[in-house]
Amino acid sequence: TQLLEQSPQFLSIQEGENLTVYCNSSSVFSSLQWYRQEPGEGPVLLVTVVTGGEVKKLKRLTFQFGDARKDSSLHITAAQPGDTGLYLCAGAGFQKLVFGTGTRLLVSP
Amino acid sequence: DAGVIQSPRHEVTEMGQEVTLRCKPISGHNSLFWYRQTMMRGLELLIYFNNNVPIDDSGMPEDRFSAKMPNASFSTLKIQPSEPRDSAVYFCASSLRGEGEQFFGPGTRLTVL
Repeated sequence: TQLLEQSPQFLSIQEGENLTVYCNSSSVFSSLQWYRQEPGEGPVLLVTVVTGGEVKKLKRLTFQFGDARKDSSLHITAAQPGDTGLYLCAGAGFQKLVFGTGTRLLVSP
Repeated sequence: DAGVIQSPRHEVTEMGQEVTLRCKPISGHNSLFWYRQTMMRGLELLIYFNNNVPIDDSGMPEDRFSAKMPNASFSTLKIQPSEPRDSAVYFCASSLRGEGEQFFGPGTRLTVL
């Protein structure tokens, strides 16, 4: 069974702080996706990383795929209240996605 | 495009009753997924279809759960009989291909009393 463990599970920070969320697995994935979910809604894709070692930036968000394609990280610079939500990584393989355990982020003004 | 449509948005029922959740995927998408989300267990894949054919239903918790996709534009997830532990938010998602970006519906919040 493929499992994706995310850490931390919960993170409560002040506006302006930096943070990093980790997504780890013992399995290799063909690609890895990051989603954000806001209360009362379904997850929405932020980015897909495909190549081992790949780094992608989306404004203040930086995503990295591990060299071995087993892990990934999401770094947020100068967090804002609008970044609040549930962050989910998802590994692609066997015609489906395996979603991580999730990191719940709260950014206070 | 209207996105993935789910109905109902909220469902409150009593233990033992039959519950049917409905999903209309995005037109042209070949893959459809049913998920269940709870605080304790996170987002769990229940079953997924490719070109209307069920591919993997290993995530369906029990025989009380069943899913169908009679055509490319409609799918149902049925729970019969329902139990309080089935209370969760159920999401439907669709994608152009199984490993591609998934587009989620707004979810159905199910409460079984």
